[in-house]
Amino acid sequence: AQSVTQLDSQVPVFEEAPVELRCNYSSSVSVYLFWYVQYPNQGLQLLLKYLSGSTLVESINGFEAEFNKSQTSFHLRKPSVHISDTAEYFCAVTVSGGYQKVTFGTGTKLQVIP
Amino acid sequence: DTAVSQTPKYLVTQMGNDKSIKCEQNLGHDTMYWYKQDSKKFLKIMFSYNNKELIINETVPNRFSPKSPDKAHLNLHINSLELGDSAVYFCASSQDASATYNEQFFGPGTRLTVL
Repeated sequence: AQSVTQLDSQVPVFEEAPVELRCNYSSSVSVYLFWYVQYPNQGLQLLLKYLSGSTLVESINGFEAEFNKSQTSFHLRKPSVHISDTAEYFCAVTVSGGYQKVTFGTGTKLQVIP
Repeated sequence: DTAVSQTPKYLVTQMGNDKSIKCEQNLGHDTMYWYKQDSKKFLKIMFSYNNKELIINETVPNRFSPKSPDKAHLNLHINSLELGDSAVYFCASSQDASATYNEQFFGPGTRLTVL
């Protein structure tokens, strides 16, 4: 079975500073990796995903994540955060084959300080 | 034009009552899910239906019974509510469960409070 670890439950960062949200996964088979974002009182929405190919994936709002197979990591980064980035971020993993069953991490609350 | 909608948004009820949450998606997806998010934001899958058939049933008490009248709807009925059932319940959908790389689209959630 697959698992996801998000070590940081909260990350406070000043506006316009860079941020990295860490995610490590565990699986014995090939994985697909996702970052979802949950704004206050809303459902989750996909931020970006890694399926195959280039290990660096980007979102439309400036976030990027790099798949590192040797370190089993998929850390999320943004060079300059905005107040509107304040949200809960969830790393998630599925495996190829069978039916989709997403395993989510415990989430990291990004708090952008003005 | 809400893609995945849930009703009600808030549900406050007494222990022992029976309640239902409804979910509808207008994306034409084949697969729908129910998730439970606890007070610490941990999100755990409960059920998944593909074309009205149950394909994932996690270790959920049998007080919880999902029903899918058609592939656009997945309702959740909960019998004999307990305090520990208090949580936010999210409905989600994806195009096809056998394509495990597909994005899931989430509803806005139903906050259930059991008193």
